[in-house]
Order: sequence, then structure tokens, then C-alpha cells
Amino acid sequence: KQEVTQIPAALSVPEGENLVLNCSFTDSAIYNLQWFRQDPGKGLTSLLLIQSSQREQTSGRLNASLDKSSGRSTLYIAASQPGDSATYLCAVQGGSQGNLIFGKGTKLSVKP
Amino acid sequence: NAGVTQTPKFQVLKTGQSMTLQCAQDMNHNSMYWYRQDPGMGLRLIYYSASEGTTDKGEVPNGYNVSRLNKREFSLRLESAAPSQTSVYFCASGRNTEAFFGQGTRLTVV
Repeated sequence: KQEVTQIPAALSVPEGENLVLNCSFTDSAIYNLQWFRQDPGKGLTSLLLIQSSQREQTSGRLNASLDKSSGRSTLYIAASQPGDSATYLCAVQGGSQGNLIFGKGTKLSVKP
Repeated sequence: NAGVTQTPKFQVLKTGQSMTLQCAQDMNHNSMYWYRQDPGMGLRLIYYSASEGTTDKGEVPNGYNVSRLNKREFSLRLESAAPSQTSVYFCASGRNTEAFFGQGTRLTVV
């Protein structure tokens, strides 16, 4: 059974720092991996999608990498801002039906 | 762009009552999903529908039923609500790859 783990569970950094969020999964046979952002009391916003054949994706200050063989993904946030404060969720799709297996998230707090 | 719309946003039920959570998407996606989010448990799949007319169980289907009314709409029904069903419910739709989520329904069963 696929399991997704995110470390750390919570992270507090000063504004301006570059930071890395980690995601690991137990079964390397995945279709893709998706990173989401969730603000308190809100829904999930898709940040980046990495297909199984890709190594990384970039959007603005965000860069996500994927190493299928080792079962790991990282989300790199450059020059963090207070507006980046949120919970970041990693999810893997293990089959063609599109079902996602989620990690429990990393709660990020960026202090001004 | 509306994307995925869920109604209601909040609901309080008494134990044993029934209700239906509604979800509609305007992105012409074939696949739709219902997840629940609980503290410490993360998001878990309840049911999904790969196409109009088909539905399948996910990880936690007990106590729920679903209907894929047409390509746009996918509803989740609680026939006899229990306190264990207190949760935040999310509907999602997707192509074969990327998933898009609604804003959620916060349900409390007392």
C-alpha cells in the first residue's frame, strides 16, 4: 500500500530564507506527483505537477523535483514571504484513475 | 472561472439525519472524487467516478453513497449521519493527471 510522508510537519522561518519541504513515498510506481497549498479553512490549490517521466517543474519562486527511484520529492521555495505561510501537501497518483494518496502536510510559517 | 463548486459550505447535522453534499465542475473533466480531511489523518478518498455512469469505492466508503448525475455533477450522500463523519469534505475533478479541488464542506454531526 502506498504511503506518503512529509517532513517536517511544521516549519517556521524568517522572511527571505530559501527553504526545502520534503516528501517521500513507499511505492515508486507512480503516474505523477502533485504539490498543493492549503490556507486555513480553505480548499487545495495546485502548485506544481510532476509527471513520472519528469525530474522537476518550476513556477515562479517554486521548484519541485522528483526522484522516483528513491521515492522522494522536494519543494524548494526561494526568498520566502509571509504570504507563503500555509500548509503544503504532497500527493502521488498511483494509477490511471487519478486517485491521489496524500501526505499529512508541512505547515509553514514565514515570519516578517 | 468557477472550477469546482461545492454546496453547502457548512452544515450541522444531528446523529441519524441524512444529507447530500453537492459538487459541480465546469472543466469538462471525466473524473471526479470525494475526499474527507481529518486532523492527523490527512485527506482520504471516499469514492470516485472515472466517467459518467461509473462509481467506485475509495479508502473509506462506509456510511456514504454517491451519484454521478451527469458529467458535471457528483453528489455524496450520508444516509444516517454519525459523529465519526464529522469532517471537512472535498470534491475534486481531474484529467488523467492534474486534480482541482473545491473549497470544501465543513460538516459537524452532533
